[in-house]
Amino acid sequence: DVKVTQSSRYLVKRTGEKVFLECVQDMDHENMFWYRQDPGLGLRLIYFSYDVKMKEKGDIPEGYSVSREKKERFSLILESASTNQTSMYLCASSSTSGRGNEQFFGPGTRLTVL
Amino acid sequence: EDKVVQSPLSLVVHEGDTVTLNCSYEVTNFRSLLWYKQEKKAPTFLFMLTSSGIEKKSGRLSSILDKKELFSILNITATQTGDSAVYLCAVKDLIKAAGNKLTFGGGTRVLVKP
Repeated sequence: DVKVTQSSRYLVKRTGEKVFLECVQDMDHENMFWYRQDPGLGLRLIYFSYDVKMKEKGDIPEGYSVSREKKERFSLILESASTNQTSMYLCASSSTSGRGNEQFFGPGTRLTVL
Repeated sequence: EDKVVQSPLSLVVHEGDTVTLNCSYEVTNFRSLLWYKQEKKAPTFLFMLTSSGIEKKSGRLSSILDKKELFSILNITATQTGDSAVYLCAVKDLIKAAGNKLTFGGGTRVLVKP
């Protein structure tokens, strides 16, 4: 079974803090994604990566950056957290081959910025 | 820009009822449409549809795609309380296939009462 894990289930930070959200997958997937999920807005793609050290902006990259130094790990960074970044953050991964359209999701990190 | 709209936003039914969820999309170069179920945590994959008129079925859930009218429906028959969840629809654009990027709709929240 594919497993995608995220470093924290719940996180509370203060405005201006630097925040790291970590995601690890164990299925050797090439592609990894970071979404945020807000009521009524569904999942919105922040950044994705299709290879180590490669990254592409999604639909809402402002205020975020990412890092993919190893294939299994994809980090989301909030350089200076703001209250409008309070949200549920979901990481996902998928394979380029086989049933490549399916993305496997982690359990999510609920981030609150005070 | 790819767009996915789900309706209704939410609905409440009683056990045993049948539920029909709608997903309409605008995608420049359609490749596939996916349905996910999200309970308290990570979305889990239900179906992937690529061809019009071919019903996909899994137990009490079924889904069909209409590529001419640009929509899909997800049916749940004989609903149970365990079907309570947010159902997400997502589409994949053929041209933007790098990294298997998906565009998600806002989701439909289903509550099944005993």
